[in-house]
Amino acid sequence: EDKVVQSPLSLVVHEGDTVTLNCSYEVTNFRSLLWYKQEKKAPTFLFMLTSSGIEKKSGRLSSILDKKELFSILNITATQTGDSAIYLCAPLSGGYQKVTFGTGTKLQVIP
Amino acid sequence: NAGVTQTPKFQVLKTGQSMTLQCAQDMNHEYMSWYRQDPGMGLRLIHYSVGAGITDQGEVPNGYNVSRSTTEDFPLRLLSAAPSQTSVYFCASSYSRLAGGKSYEQYFGPGTRLTVT
Repeated sequence: EDKVVQSPLSLVVHEGDTVTLNCSYEVTNFRSLLWYKQEKKAPTFLFMLTSSGIEKKSGRLSSILDKKELFSILNITATQTGDSAIYLCAPLSGGYQKVTFGTGTKLQVIP
Repeated sequence: NAGVTQTPKFQVLKTGQSMTLQCAQDMNHEYMSWYRQDPGMGLRLIHYSVGAGITDQGEVPNGYNVSRSTTEDFPLRLLSAAPSQTSVYFCASSYSRLAGGKSYEQYFGPGTRLTVT
């Protein structure tokens, strides 16, 4: 059975802090890993990672994948209150991409 | 493009009633899926489809049926609603093949909040 574990489950930081969110996975026939941000509505896409060791970057957010150790991290530098959300990782697997979501990390950034 | 649309946004059902949640996308995506989201449980896959006429079960399929007669539409049917099906339901779509710069990014609809009493 496919398994995705995200840690920590929740996190409270002050504005300006840097955070690292973790995602470990065990899926059959891994293809890619997606990161999403979910505020009060539907998840919004952040990154897709397919190759190990290649950092993807978007502003203050960056992410990297390790296919040998089966994990990914999402870094957020200089956090802002607008970064408060649940961050979800989702490996794609199988012949047709079956997506398995982790339970997410709830990040709260306080002023 | 309207993206992924879902109707209704809110629904209250009595135990035993049936209903259909509608999902449509106008991006010509092959892959469509239904998730439910419960507090502390993340998104759990109910059913998915890789193209018209092809569907398969996800992690939590019991009590739900789907069909995919067109590329655009992927309705989710609750056969006999139960309180355990109270949840927020999301439909999503994406390309199913990486080609020509396409991405596996899933586009989500706005969700349907369902309450079963």
